[in-house]
Amino acid sequence: AQTVTQSQPEMSVQEAETVTLSCTYDTSENNYYLFWYKQPPSRQMILVIRQEAYKQQNATENRFSVNFQKAAKSFSLKISDSQLGDTAMYFCAFMFIGGSQGNLIFGKGTKLSVKP
Amino acid sequence: SAVISQKPSRDICQRGTSLTIQCQVDSQVTMMFWYRQQPGQSLTLIATANQGSEATYESGFVIDKFPISRPNLTFSTLTVSNMSPEDSSIYLCSVESMGRGPQETQYFGPGTRLLVL
Repeated sequence: AQTVTQSQPEMSVQEAETVTLSCTYDTSENNYYLFWYKQPPSRQMILVIRQEAYKQQNATENRFSVNFQKAAKSFSLKISDSQLGDTAMYFCAFMFIGGSQGNLIFGKGTKLSVKP
Repeated sequence: SAVISQKPSRDICQRGTSLTIQCQVDSQVTMMFWYRQQPGQSLTLIATANQGSEATYESGFVIDKFPISRPNLTFSTLTVSNMSPEDSSIYLCSVESMGRGPQETQYFGPGTRLLVL
């Protein structure tokens, strides 16, 4: 069974600084997707970034980028130039391609606070 | 861009009663899902809502407790039956294949916060 581990329950960062959220996962599969979702206090889950396991190039989306280390089963999220609106819970998620359709496996989340 | 809405946004219910949550998408989607997020916890998939057939439930979730309907490609309902305080959670629907962006990526509705007394 796949598992996703986020070892940092809470983190804080100063506005305009850079922060990295860690995520590791365990799977014996080779084809899968990885995601980072953001859930602000409004509770709407928002997709931040996605990575296909077969792609070696790290995904980037504006101020958000990932460091995907497939051999190490690591998928960290870097937020550059942090903004107050980045304050939220961040969830790392795994989806096996070809398995139970749609079953996103989520980590427990990291609560990020951006301080002015 | 496509919009996902859920009704109600929140509710307070008495134990033993049932609540039906609606999820509406403003464009046709292939896959719809229902998740539960217990207080302070992560998300757990309840079931996949299949259009025109019975939902596919994950381990630990059963149709009698969480009946699901999906009459068309833009709408689904989740009923939480015979509620107990342990059912107090946020219930979220998600959709896949929004017609834009990468396939096999899920987008979530705003969630329904349920409190059972």
